[in-house]
This record gives sequence, C-alpha cells and structure tokens, in this order.
Amino acid sequence: QVQLQQWGAGLLKPSETLSLICAVYGGPFSGYYWSWIRQPPGKGLEWIGEMNDSGSINYNPSLKSRVTISVDTSKNQFSLKLSSVTAADTAVYYCTRGQGIAIWGQGTMVTVSS
Amino acid sequence: DIQMTQSPSSLSASVGDRVTITCRASQGISNNLAWFQQKPGKAPKSLIYLASRLQSGVPSKFSGSGSGTDFTLTISSLQPEDFATYYCQQYNTYPRTFGQGTKVEIK
Repeated sequence: QVQLQQWGAGLLKPSETLSLICAVYGGPFSGYYWSWIRQPPGKGLEWIGEMNDSGSINYNPSLKSRVTISVDTSKNQFSLKLSSVTAADTAVYYCTRGQGIAIWGQGTMVTVSS
Repeated sequence: DIQMTQSPSSLSASVGDRVTITCRASQGISNNLAWFQQKPGKAPKSLIYLASRLQSGVPSKFSGSGSGTDFTLTISSLQPEDFATYYCQQYNTYPRTFGQGTKVEIK
C-alpha cells in the first residue's frame, strides 16, 4: 500500500524559508502527479503546486514568486520550498499523489512566528 | 481562476438521512472533479474522482454525479462516522481550486 511520509521544520521566523520533504513508500514514483496543498488553521484547502506525470511543474500564481517544487527520483521524494514566509503562511501542509488526488500525506503543521 | 462554490456551507442531519452537497464551477470543467472528507485534526480522505468514480475502499453509500459546471455528492444513509467537512476540487485547469467546504453536523 502506497504511503506518503512528510517531514520538515515546524517553526519558522518571518522571512525564513519553509522546507518540506515528502517520501513515497510502497509504490512507484514515476507516472503520477505529485502536489502540495496547505490549510491555514480553521480554514479551507489551498493548492500550492503540482508536478505532472511528464515532469512539468505548475504553481499557484498567488505563491509562484516564492515557491519551488523539486523531485529526487533516486530517493522517491519530492520537496517544497517557500521563501520569505510570513504569519499568513502558517498552515498544515500536505503532500498528495494523483491528479484526482488519491493519497495524502499525514500533514505537517508549520507555524511562522517571531 | 475557476471558482468552486459549495452549497450549503453547513447542514444538520440525522443518522439515516440522505444528504446531498452541491458544487458549482464558475466555468466548465468536464468531469475533472474530486470530493474529499475531512475530520477535525486529520488529513483529508479522498472519496471520489472524475466526478463519479469511487476511490478504492470508499463505501458505496457515497456517490457523485455531474459534468460541466454542476456536481453533487450524495451520502445515501448518513452514519455517525460521516459527520465531517466535505470539499470539492477541480483539476481541469491550473491553478487547481477547492470549494470552501460543507460541514455536516449532527441534528
């Protein structure tokens, strides 16, 4: 059974860079869509960006200037970097698999506070 | 961006009730729509993709329908474990967008 395991720093100061990794266990990496989604406390879901099955990456325009999604196929991992964070970036961050998402990571709470 | 509007935003229902949630897209998205269930403090769970196809392991009491701009999620007989917040998401166009959520509460 495919599982996504994610990790990264949970407490950041304003202006720092958020960095998260998502590892894929129990299934192939290639041939799927991989994405990052976030959810601020008490609010709805926001799509951050996605790598499709041909390796192209698309970002939410609202975050595009600060976001980088990258892939390490040798490790079956993909990562998220979000630069110059502010309190507005405080959220639970999820990695997912699938264009019509089938699998979610467990989520990582990231808090931005001085 | 495509706006996804869910209705109602919340509803109260009893165990055994049939519940229907609607999701409307601001422009046509074919059948590229997914539904998710989320319980407090948990990651969302995927229920439906391509508007009407059940994800593996999802019970048949959940069903989805629609195409174009109007979609529905139906729970045929509400059970205690179904009280949660439900989200739709379009994946026809970038950026992907979600509905604001529908909270299903116990009456």
